[in-house]
Formats: sequence, structure tokens, C-alpha cells
Amino acid sequence: AQSVTQLDSQVPVFEEAPVELRCNYSSSVSVYLFWYVQYPNQGLQLLLKYLSGSTLVKGINGFEAEFNKSQTSFHLRKPSVHISDTAEYFCAVSDIYAGGTSYGKLTFGQGTILTVHP
Amino acid sequence: DTEVTQTPKHLVMGMTNKKSLKCEQHMGHRAMYWYKQKAKKPPELMFVYSYEKLSINESVPSRFSPECPNSSLLNLHLHALQPEDSALYLCASSQDPSLAGQETQYFGPGTRLLVL
Repeated sequence: AQSVTQLDSQVPVFEEAPVELRCNYSSSVSVYLFWYVQYPNQGLQLLLKYLSGSTLVKGINGFEAEFNKSQTSFHLRKPSVHISDTAEYFCAVSDIYAGGTSYGKLTFGQGTILTVHP
Repeated sequence: DTEVTQTPKHLVMGMTNKKSLKCEQHMGHRAMYWYKQKAKKPPELMFVYSYEKLSINESVPSRFSPECPNSSLLNLHLHALQPEDSALYLCASSQDPSLAGQETQYFGPGTRLLVL
């Protein structure tokens, strides 16, 4: 069974500062990795995902993440945040089984609340 | 159109009531999901439908009964719920069930359920 650990439950930051939200995972099989964002009173929206290939993944709204297999990490970064980035961010994994099958079961981390202050 | 709609937005029900949550998408997606999200917690998968057939049931109590009457519609029937079932219920969809694990899931805004 896989698990996802988001190391920071809350991250406060000032507008235009850089930010990194940390995510580590454990799994007995290979995984696909995702970052989703949830704005207040809304559903989740995909920011970016890693499936294979280049370990640096670029997503929407200026976010990027780097997959590090040796450290089993998938940290999310943005060089300059805006007030509108205030939201909760979830890291998630889905397992890849034999033959490349993956059933669509996402396991989410506990979430990181990013608060951007003016 | 990348919208998943859910009705109602809010629902209050007693423990003896029967109610249903509805989810709809018109993106031609053939995988649909129900998640439960308790306050200050991440979403937890409940059910997955692939090509209108139930493919994953995450050991959900029988007081939750999913139904997928057609490729655009997903229902969650509720009966004899407990107060601890109060949560945000999220519906999601993705395009191809055979690629489900790597695809983007599109989420609706959720139904906020309160069980008294």
C-alpha cells in the first residue's frame, strides 16, 4: 500500500516570495504523481502530474515540481506567489501494477494550506 | 467544457431519511468517482465506475449505494446515515478507464452533507 506525506500542514508566505511545498511518498510499486489545488468551497483542480520522462514538470499558474526517485519526493515550487495562490494543496499518487495497469485510485497526502500575505 | 456538476450543493438529512446525490459530466468521460472529504482532511476514494460498471468499492458501508445509469450521470443513494457521515462528497471523472491511473481527474464542487 502506498502513502503520501506532506511535511508542512501550513505554509505562510508573503506575496512575490518563492515557495516550496514538500511531498514524500512510499510505495512498493512504481507510481504516478500529482499535485491538486483546492480553493475554498470548491473541488480539486490539477496543477501538474509526473508520469515518466523529464523529472522537472511544469504546470498551470507558474507552478513546477521535481520528481526525485532516490528520495521518493515530489516537491512543488513557485518562484513568486500571488494572493490568489492562497489555497490548500494536495500531493497524490496512483500505483502502477504489473503490465502498466493503474486503476485510478488516488491516495492523497494530508494537504498543505498555503496562505499568501500582502 | 471541463465541468463536473453536482447537486445539491448542500444537504441536511436525518438518520432515517433517504436522499440522493447527483453528479453529471458531458465531457464523454467513461470513468467516474465518488470521494468523501471530512473537514480538514484529504479526499478518500469511495467508488470507481468504469464504462458504467462498478470497478472499485473501497469497503464502503452499504448505507451508501452508488449508481451509474448512463455514461454522463452518477448517483450516490444515501440511507440510514450516521452523524459521522457528515462530509463533503466529491464527484470526479476522467476520460479513459484503461488509463485511469495516469489521467487527470476533473472534480465537481461537491455536496456538503450534514447528518443530524
